[in-house]
Amino acid sequence: NAGVTQTPKFRILKIGQSMTLQCTQDMNHNYMYWYRQDPGMGLKLIYYSVGAGITDKGEVPNGYNVSRSTTEDFPLRLELAAPSQTSVYFCASSQSSTGELFFGEGSRLTVL
Amino acid sequence: AQSVTQLGSHVSVSEGALVLLRCNYSSSVPPYLFWYVQYPNQGLQLLLKYTTGATLVKGINGFEAEFKKSETSFHLTKPSAHMSDAAEYFCAVSGNDDKIIFGKGTRLHILP
Repeated sequence: NAGVTQTPKFRILKIGQSMTLQCTQDMNHNYMYWYRQDPGMGLKLIYYSVGAGITDKGEVPNGYNVSRSTTEDFPLRLELAAPSQTSVYFCASSQSSTGELFFGEGSRLTVL
Repeated sequence: AQSVTQLGSHVSVSEGALVLLRCNYSSSVPPYLFWYVQYPNQGLQLLLKYTTGATLVKGINGFEAEFKKSETSFHLTKPSAHMSDAAEYFCAVSGNDDKIIFGKGTRLHILP
């Protein structure tokens, strides 16, 4: 029962480096979301996708990119990492925007 | 666009006392409303949701919430707090644009 799997769980980046956070789900969900969580700020929506080949911006998309080539995978790419991108990132999937979100365990990213 | 306001970033209640966590939403369309709980170092899990129909919604672990359109509220309650309820609670709203927007969260502390 894998559900939503995120990798890596922890990563330290230097300013200006790039990386991709991987997210895969095995529930055949069409809807997938990326959030970042910062202390006292709740979860902020970065990007979301309602199906393969379709992505859209959320509340805080600047500095990030996504792609959705398959139903299962929804990677989040950070280009030119900045200290402001230090955060915990959560990927989630759902049958629809009115259904339950299933979350991964999170990826803790530090940019120094 | 929809938004969520959670009143009180920290709430403390005694074990056995009533739990009340407040959530107000803003949405230009009939909203779908959710409460999620997050235990330390974990992802979020669904407590309950309101889509349509009965305005009093029962969830897991004895929690319930009432949708009040006139007050644009969706407060979470539990009659008797248990030590295991200590966690962070998030209210979320979904509209007709497939985005799921979260509030800033309320950390619930249970006093022995």
